[in-house]
Amino acid sequence: GQQLNQSPQSMFIQEGEDVSMNCTSSSIFNTWLWYKQDPGEGPVLLIALYKAGELTSNGRLTAQFGITRKDSFLNISASIPSDVGIYFCAGAPYISNFGNEKLTFGTGTRLTIIP
Amino acid sequence: NAGVMQNPRHLVRRRGQEARLRCSPMKGHSHVYWYRQLPEEGLKFMVYLQKENIIDESGMPKERFSAEFPKEGPSILRIQQVVRGDSAAYFCASSPPASGRGSGRASYEQYFGPGTRLTVT
Repeated sequence: GQQLNQSPQSMFIQEGEDVSMNCTSSSIFNTWLWYKQDPGEGPVLLIALYKAGELTSNGRLTAQFGITRKDSFLNISASIPSDVGIYFCAGAPYISNFGNEKLTFGTGTRLTIIP
Repeated sequence: NAGVMQNPRHLVRRRGQEARLRCSPMKGHSHVYWYRQLPEEGLKFMVYLQKENIIDESGMPKERFSAEFPKEGPSILRIQQVVRGDSAAYFCASSPPASGRGSGRASYEQYFGPGTRLTVT
């Protein structure tokens, strides 16, 4: 099946720092999404990307759909304590049958803010 | 507008019992997905359902697990004769119809419920 490699696995940063994480696939994807999960809760959709090269922002978050269609990036500027959590990328592989909209999820990046 | 609802939030079952997990999608959403998450791991796709149809069940174990999404009422994930290895968080997500993609197609944007934490003792 499809595999998404997400890196880094974990990050320890100080409040105010910028954060970058990425997700790569072995095959072409036609949609990329980024989610954040807080402990004990379900993932929350942050940003959705639909076109190669697309750059989309949501407040301090910016995500990009890589031009190769095999990767995506998420940046968080000026981190604050509530940014702590696990960030997951998710994607929909490009397949000839468009009747199946299931997503493949990455392994997650755990963000911790050091006081 | 209420989000995706799941109940119960926590479920404890003894080995051999049945577990029933319920999911009510967001209003206007007719596509439901079930995922399983083990501690410190990512989300593993189990099954994708549309009203009265199973679209993709490739991630669901062939035995003991079943899912349905009836015309009326919530989607149900049913686990029969639970074993300790079934202990996990089970998440449901729903998505709205996709615009401009033909009838029956879903948007790729999935919205998750708070999950059901199943513990098998």
